[in-house]
Amino acid sequence: QKEVEQNSGPLSVPEGAIASLNCTYSDRGSQSFFWYRQYSGKSPELIMSIYSNGDKEDGRFTAQLNKASQYVSLLIRDSQPSDSATYLCAVILAGNMLTFGGGTRLMVKP
Amino acid sequence: GAGVSQTPSNKVTEKGKYVELRCDPISGHTALYWYRQSLGQGPEFLIYFQGTGAADDSGLPNDRFFAVRPEGSVSTLKIQRTERGDSAVYLCASSSPYTDTQYFGPGTRLTVL
Repeated sequence: QKEVEQNSGPLSVPEGAIASLNCTYSDRGSQSFFWYRQYSGKSPELIMSIYSNGDKEDGRFTAQLNKASQYVSLLIRDSQPSDSATYLCAVILAGNMLTFGGGTRLMVKP
Repeated sequence: GAGVSQTPSNKVTEKGKYVELRCDPISGHTALYWYRQSLGQGPEFLIYFQGTGAADDSGLPNDRFFAVRPEGSVSTLKIQRTERGDSAVYLCASSSPYTDTQYFGPGTRLTVL
């Protein structure tokens, strides 16, 4: 079992819909969770960090964390074609380094 | 302010050659990380510096890989006797003393022929 798992997709949603991206992790002791967006040929760009159970909203993005179930999700409201990218879930499992999932490719169709 | 910078953006080399990849972190960031990303996968940790010292090098795949950060700012990742399997995008990230949030540079795409 991988330490951080994501569905590779592609996840296809129509423009204006809500995109829901999910991630599970193996270490129950993890405390820090991040979502990065990566456009093709570019480096990861931070979207959000989350540390506490519950929801954290930033504009059209909402991160959700459930430590008991060991999952973290990202909701994108009013999806736009410019949101089409690979979304990487990253967790600090031990030490200070990020452990990444394989990423979910999101396609938003006009 | 300026973000993390990496040079070169692309590096093509031949099998067996030596390469150096450079990372300049965000000003004031004391922690610096190197990751490697292969096509279709998430980045994988290589090494982490806190100041000048390597705090964790457990991700380096073998002794052909080495990294330094002599003055606590710029870091150089060095790869000896390159192999075709070393071809990947090498990413550098940095974080401030006050947070564990890491910000990535644009990466160096290494191609070993």
